[in-house]
Amino acid sequence: EIVLTQSPGTLSLSPGERATLSCRASQSVGSNYLAWYQQKPGQAPRLLIYGASSRATGIPDRFSGRGSGTDFTLTINRLEPEDFAVYYCQHYGTSPFTFGPGTKVDIK
Amino acid sequence: EVQLLESGGGLVQPGGSLRLSCAASGFTFSDYVMSWVRQAPGKGLEWVSAVSASGGGTFYADSVKGRFTISRDDSNSTLFLHMDSLRAEDTAIYYCAKDHWQWLLTGHFDLWGRGTLLTVSS
Repeated sequence: EIVLTQSPGTLSLSPGERATLSCRASQSVGSNYLAWYQQKPGQAPRLLIYGASSRATGIPDRFSGRGSGTDFTLTINRLEPEDFAVYYCQHYGTSPFTFGPGTKVDIK
Repeated sequence: EVQLLESGGGLVQPGGSLRLSCAASGFTFSDYVMSWVRQAPGKGLEWVSAVSASGGGTFYADSVKGRFTISRDDSNSTLFLHMDSLRAEDTAIYYCAKDHWQWLLTGHFDLWGRGTLLTVSS
């Protein structure tokens, strides 16, 4: 089972700033099968990024993902008020499909 | 409208059973692998189970294997999760989730329901 670690646990930023979130896997993620989700309080998660760097349908281009192997990054350029939320990375492709513990992006 | 709507959650005693349902609409349900993902109160996400587009293949997390059974009724576009031998640690919001790609079990999800809460407590 691939274990995902996310850092930092909490990121305190102001609107307009850039957020850089990290996800590290305990072993190499095959075919870059790494996704990112956003979750707001009381809501279901929303798919942002799949294949490590492909944006899902309807996701603004201020969200970008990169990485390979065991190290992945989600960048949010110019934070909008609606971007303050919890972000999870997820390994997929081979079950069990594991999630990281999440990074909370809150308003400074 | 493309959506998933879960139902069936509630309060169950330890050792009890319950069945969750997820009604799908707005897409060709039979073409997609479907999963259940849960989230304990204030905690992160945990994939629970998946069923193949044909229904012939089922997959489970070790934490629920042997206790939970996933199934689907394509004629009614409905996904089920039958849960036996429930434990306190099964307490969570249970989300129904649609796989991103047709036919394939990829395990990442582009459509989620709003969830249904299961509480296991005496």
